Amino acid sequence: DGGITQSPKYLFRKEGQNVTLSCEQNLNHDAMYWYRQDPGQGLRLIYYSQIVNDFQKGDIAEGYSVSREKKESFPLTVTSAQKNPTAFYLCASSTSGQGKETQYFGPGTRLLVL
Amino acid sequence: RKEVEQDPGPFNVPEGATVAFNCTYSNSASQSFFWYRQDCRKEPKLLMSVYSSGNEDGRFTAQLNRASQYISLLIRDSKLSDSATYLCVVTPYNQGGKLIFGQGTELSVKP
Repeated sequence: DGGITQSPKYLFRKEGQNVTLSCEQNLNHDAMYWYRQDPGQGLRLIYYSQIVNDFQKGDIAEGYSVSREKKESFPLTVTSAQKNPTAFYLCASSTSGQGKETQYFGPGTRLLVL
Repeated sequence: RKEVEQDPGPFNVPEGATVAFNCTYSNSASQSFFWYRQDCRKEPKLLMSVYSSGNEDGRFTAQLNRASQYISLLIRDSKLSDSATYLCVVTPYNQGGKLIFGQGTELSVKP
């Protein structure tokens, strides 16, 4: 089965803790993306990567970090600097990141702060 | 002004009704346009791409007016299974393929 997987489905973070959200794809896509969705709002872009070992900040990158060491994997770390991390986090991928192709989304991770 | 704005919801309609969603975007250099569907607590899934010539997929018709920077989605003969949030999505030119989402319009189809 080809697709995008995200884990865990639910994640709880304590104050001052860094947590890492996993995103893996076996679609052989070059581009990968992280979005955040808050209740009643559209998705907002956190980071994106068009190729291995390269990534760019999106619209709300503060308090987050990413890496792209492998084509299949694009983990997102929510650092303690992110003061309002409770949200639904969605990872997506597309063929090349040129803008005209479809982005496919993973099932998402819900992050809650304890 | 938000980059992508949609009709505020929710839309509550009976089965069989025709419903239309509207969306406007602010960046005239936008290059690609989509409608995504998002079920409650799930990930968005592509419903259809939108072209200037208009396109139809069964009961769904999408239109793009570049001059007015306006996108629409028409659903005919609505089904209970059409209940979801519909997201208008735009891709700006030369920005790594990132998607700009509207806030979504919730549709509830009642028996």
